[in-house]
Amino acid sequence: QSVLTQPPSVSAAPGQKVTISCSGNSSNIGSYYVSWYQQLPGTAPKLLIYENNKRPSGIPDRFSGSTSGTSATLAITGLQTGDEADYYCGTWDSSLSAGGVFGGGTKLTVL
Amino acid sequence: QVQLQESGPGLVKPSETLSLTCTVSGGSVSSGGYYWSWIRQSPGKGLEWLGYIYYTGSTNYNPSLKSRVTISTDTSKNQFSLKLTSVTAADTAVYYCVRRWLSRLDPWGRGTLVTVSS
Repeated sequence: QSVLTQPPSVSAAPGQKVTISCSGNSSNIGSYYVSWYQQLPGTAPKLLIYENNKRPSGIPDRFSGSTSGTSATLAITGLQTGDEADYYCGTWDSSLSAGGVFGGGTKLTVL
Repeated sequence: QVQLQESGPGLVKPSETLSLTCTVSGGSVSSGGYYWSWIRQSPGKGLEWLGYIYYTGSTNYNPSLKSRVTISTDTSKNQFSLKLTSVTAADTAVYYCVRRWLSRLDPWGRGTLVTVSS
């Protein structure tokens, strides 16, 4: 069972917008920056969003992140079939000696 | 551009020790500010953080595995390593080496599948 809670799956049509939630508590999301990772089928996870809402170079602005209290949200607009992947939120946790914690992952299906 | 590559046995017997090495290219394990980490993903499951070693040599491990995990660096080879003792089938997973900088995990190695079976 993961420390952070994500919905197992979300789906939307091409061109639409989808959001993925990530819920934690005061010792993790409430205390540390949140990152989001995209894992395309058969590949390693890749950094998508860091420090709650920043995008690494090369990540399109269709991807955005936000936080509020002990929750975080990843939004993807203008969905493309190539966005089909598993998405994970991650942060650190002071109750685990500042160790890393992740959500269980959300499978995005572009219908 | 920093790249990481895992290496090690793909099959380990139950009760034995899993040993993996991560070779860093385009950067140095001695560089200030970086944490060199191991993360695993069991088949069809989510991500599990195992631990990291700071460039100073200090370590931090997942409490659920702390008694079995050791992470170390070899600065002469620009590598860092993972040892996981007394493995069981539950340790079967893809193991990733990853660099942590500030709060982010980037880049990730391609991952290596380790199967625990007799």
